[in-house]
Amino acid sequence: EAGVAQSPRYKIIEKRQSVAFWCNPISGHATLYWYQQILGQGPKLLIQFQNNGVVDDSQLPKDRFSAERLKGVDSTLKIQPAKLEDSAVYLCASSLNLDFEQFFGPGTRLTVL
Amino acid sequence: EDQVTQSPEALRLQEGESSSLNCSYTVSGLRGLFWYRQDPGKGPEFLFTLYSAGEEKEKERLKATLTKKESFLHITAPKPEDSATYLCAVRASKLTFGTGTRLQVTL
Repeated sequence: EAGVAQSPRYKIIEKRQSVAFWCNPISGHATLYWYQQILGQGPKLLIQFQNNGVVDDSQLPKDRFSAERLKGVDSTLKIQPAKLEDSAVYLCASSLNLDFEQFFGPGTRLTVL
Repeated sequence: EDQVTQSPEALRLQEGESSSLNCSYTVSGLRGLFWYRQDPGKGPEFLFTLYSAGEEKEKERLKATLTKKESFLHITAPKPEDSATYLCAVRASKLTFGTGTRLQVTL
């Protein structure tokens, strides 16, 4: 069974530029998550989708971050414009449904200069 | 506000030296507690799910237990390949991760 795929693996941009990350979850998983993980910290949930709909985006900085999940499968996370403090690893995860264990992708390491 | 605290922040063990990692939580309406292992440069890898106090799960040298206020991850006779960061996450009204315990096992 294929795992969660993410791209790109690494991205370096300058502040005020925009960037997008892509995630393909495990086939059949209804729930998809985006996390931000700063070095030395645990993952922080940014947004959670259940199929096409948003379940929780309470910690998403909506003035600069946006996310969508088209057709309940792939998802993209965008940052526009980026700030220095956005430097982090962005993790995508999926689960069969709410309350089930999550399976994580390898993450995208973002560096904002 | 939901809170998850892991201790210790870092732990260094010799091979074969058993120990326990702690995850204490303050949430309303626990719907599940998850343990993950994270290696450097990789995403977290699922280990266990616990749903109710008294529940225990085992896998190789790892055993997870749950009470009403905390969970323990017991590591028996660890090996160097067990070196990683161990994360716990709690699902109540939302999902909250702890900051992890960095475990190093030396020969």
